[in-house]
Amino acid sequence: QKEVEQDPGPLSVPEGAIVSLNCTYSNSAFQYFMWYRQYSRKGPELLMYTYSSGNKEDGRFTAQVDKSSKYISLFIRDSQPSDSATYLCAMSASRGSNYKLTFGKGTLLTVNP
Amino acid sequence: GAVVSQHPSWVICKSGTSVKIECRSLDFQATTMFWYRQFPKQSLMLMATSNEGSKATYEQGVEKDKFLINHASLTLSTLTVTSAHPEDSSFYICSARLGTGVGQPQHFGDGTRLSIL
Repeated sequence: QKEVEQDPGPLSVPEGAIVSLNCTYSNSAFQYFMWYRQYSRKGPELLMYTYSSGNKEDGRFTAQVDKSSKYISLFIRDSQPSDSATYLCAMSASRGSNYKLTFGKGTLLTVNP
Repeated sequence: GAVVSQHPSWVICKSGTSVKIECRSLDFQATTMFWYRQFPKQSLMLMATSNEGSKATYEQGVEKDKFLINHASLTLSTLTVTSAHPEDSSFYICSARLGTGVGQPQHFGDGTRLSIL
């Protein structure tokens, strides 16, 4: 079993739809959870960052972490064509691991106008 | 705006050439930077962790003599691909943590596309 599982998609939705992206993980030591957006031929851009379980909202984006289920989600409301990109979940353990990130494979999202 | 700058963004060179890629933290000091490699339609693979003033820590399977990392200052880390061959062609991305505080996330540069002919 891989440490982080993420459905690679592709996922295609109409403009304005609510998008749900998910990752599951197996390492209970993970405490920090991130979502990155990566456009083609660019580096990943940090979207959301959460510590431990809970929800965090930033504009149209909501990140949820359920440590008991080892499951994290990213919701995008009112999706726009400019949201078309690959979304990567990433997580890390504590200081002792030097905060090395473990990534999911990424989900390719296309928002159609 | 960008907090990590990477240069060059794209380089094409002949087999056998050594190529240097720079990663700079903008307006902050980065004691730790990370170097990744990404193949098409795949996720990021950590190559090494670069620590200012000390030797880099390489991941298993990454050739230290092939991928030389230098982190000589708190704002600059370099990756040199020595005697590059076509199989070294890839997308190389660096990242830095915005501080040393607990839980600071990594911010990434825009990557360097390396093509070896």
